[in-house]
Amino acid sequence: IAGITQAPTSQILAAGRRMTLRCTQDMRHNAMYWYRQDLGLGLRLIHYSNTAGTTGKGEVPDGYSVSRANTDDFPLTLASAVPSQTSVYFCASSVKTGSNTGELFFGEGSRLTVL
Amino acid sequence: GDSVTQMEGPVTLSEEAFLTINCTYTATGYPSLFWYVQYPGEGLQLLLKATKADDKGSNKGFEATYRKETTSFHLEKGSVQVSDSAVYFCALSDGVGTGGFKTIFGAGTRLFVKA
Repeated sequence: IAGITQAPTSQILAAGRRMTLRCTQDMRHNAMYWYRQDLGLGLRLIHYSNTAGTTGKGEVPDGYSVSRANTDDFPLTLASAVPSQTSVYFCASSVKTGSNTGELFFGEGSRLTVL
Repeated sequence: GDSVTQMEGPVTLSEEAFLTINCTYTATGYPSLFWYVQYPGEGLQLLLKATKADDKGSNKGFEATYRKETTSFHLEKGSVQVSDSAVYFCALSDGVGTGGFKTIFGAGTRLFVKA
């Protein structure tokens, strides 16, 4: 089934360690996004990419980095994890980058716990 | 900046009851409005959307009307089922400002439907 694949599904990580969350889509969508979901705060945008080779900062980018070497992959890296980065992370994509009418397609999430 | 405010949950209803989940927004431009649903253990998926004032989005018995005069997009369903138990997110997509089009989410409202 076409869609977005995230890995790992769940991870427990020691503070200070480096972690990369993987995201791959096979829908050939131009735009990709990383959100974190925290209780009572909804989803907050971390980073986004409107097309391969470009990235931008969202609402809560500190402590995270992304790259977009090709259309399909959009990894999210925590260089040195801290407990406040404990969250559920969702990768998403959308077809259009120049329009506000397109829906987002989400992966199933990666639950990260930083101790 | 743009924002979305939705009613706090959880909302607990009996099967076949009427559902309303309130959502209001603030936006600089002319946003599109969305409702997404998240079932347990899954990512978000689009439930319905409306792209301009007075549009009504509908799907699976759910409806919401884009009210520009009250900046609202309330979700309604006439008769809920146990299978509707999920978290519902109101969202907007607005391209005004730097960074292109991004989607902003409300905090989410958890719905429990009892048999």
